[in-house]
Amino acid sequence: DTAVSQTPKYLVTQMGNDKSIKCEQNLGHDTMYWYKQDSKKFLKIMFSYNNKELIINETVPNRFSPKSPDKAHLNLHINSLELGDSAVYFCASSQAWDRGREGSGGYTFGSGTRLTVV
Amino acid sequence: QQPVQSPQAVILREGEDAVINCSSSKALYSVHWYRQKHGEAPVFLMILLKGGEQKGHDKISASFNEKKQQSSLYLTASQLSYSGTYFCAGQGGSEKLVFGKGTKLTVNP
Repeated sequence: DTAVSQTPKYLVTQMGNDKSIKCEQNLGHDTMYWYKQDSKKFLKIMFSYNNKELIINETVPNRFSPKSPDKAHLNLHINSLELGDSAVYFCASSQAWDRGREGSGGYTFGSGTRLTVV
Repeated sequence: QQPVQSPQAVILREGEDAVINCSSSKALYSVHWYRQKHGEAPVFLMILLKGGEQKGHDKISASFNEKKQQSSLYLTASQLSYSGTYFCAGQGGSEKLVFGKGTKLTVNP
């Protein structure tokens, strides 16, 4: 009964290849995110979708393209992979804060995809 | 605007207390706290939304100052399981949640 699941967990690929990471959440949350965590542990927002609509699109190379077929899924496709793309990519989801709902407002993260470009 | 965390690292013995601070140059809508253990995903600890708010559970608590620019996370009587990297994250006017650089906490026996 994993809340936010990402696949694959590890991805090793050559420069120039195209790859996809999939994310699914079963929490009924309206908003989903992609974060990138670099080797120094810095977590940086890339994209956010609310009910399949793109609401945050940070300064990310357009080789990165998110896609949300429904509010429970958010995938990330990366074209022409570069060495600098190596990082851990986290999917997350959240629901708006609700006074009566313990834990609401917080982000639930998937277990991450460690991408290594060689 | 990225919140600034301090200290960058803390080493404690079991049973000792720690305080991690988080500072923003602008007032925030909310501040979140997360803990990430090595090789794992960040885990949500708590969210604070009101100036002057204090909240917590068990031995982990947090405060948010009246101006909503400073938050602190308090870890009392630390346990080995508290080890990890603690992140504060601030949400300003937009939907975006921006994470601080993290504070690495090590609890030794």
